[in-house]
Amino acid sequence: EAGVAQSPRYKIIEKRQSVAFWCNPISGHATLYWYQQILGQGPKLLIQFQNNGVVDDSQLPKDRFSAERLKGVDSTLKIQPAKLEDSAVYLCASSLNYNNEQFFGPGTRLTVL
Amino acid sequence: AQSVTQLGSHVSVSEGALVLLRCNYSSSVPPYLFWYVQYPNQGLQLLLKYTTGATLVKGINGFEAEFKKSETSFHLTKPSAHMSDAAEYFCAVSPHQGGATNKLIFGTGTLLAVQP
Repeated sequence: EAGVAQSPRYKIIEKRQSVAFWCNPISGHATLYWYQQILGQGPKLLIQFQNNGVVDDSQLPKDRFSAERLKGVDSTLKIQPAKLEDSAVYLCASSLNYNNEQFFGPGTRLTVL
Repeated sequence: AQSVTQLGSHVSVSEGALVLLRCNYSSSVPPYLFWYVQYPNQGLQLLLKYTTGATLVKGINGFEAEFKKSETSFHLTKPSAHMSDAAEYFCAVSPHQGGATNKLIFGTGTLLAVQP
């Protein structure tokens, strides 16, 4: 069974630029999560989708971050404009449903200069 | 609000020695508890979880953890460390208070080094 796919794996941008990350969850998984993992910290949930609806985006900085999950499958996370403090690994995870085990992708490491 | 505290950001053990990684949680309701492992440049992998029932939970790769409600702890142990256990370990809590959300709240992680 294929795991959660993410791209790109690495991205370097300058502050105030825009960036987008892509996630393809495990086939058939209804729930998709985006986490931000800053160096030295544990992952923090940014947004949770159930199919293509948002369940929890309470910790998403909505002035600069946006996310969508079209057709309840793939998802993109966008940052516009980026700040230095956005440097982190962005992890995507999916689960069969919201009360099932979460499977994580390898992450996208973002460096903002 | 739920939170997780992992004591010791770095732990070093000798190969074959006992591994003990500490985790304490704060939760107003009985939580679900998890341990994840993260190898360099990889995503997180579930080691084990506690939801209900038996308080001693066995996971993959010989790890186990015991839920102690009175101590609000969920420490991770392995009797004999192997070089391949070197990784970062995260404890997490899920409040599971109903509704369509089971977000994980992670601790800051413990980096385990295994010396030959």
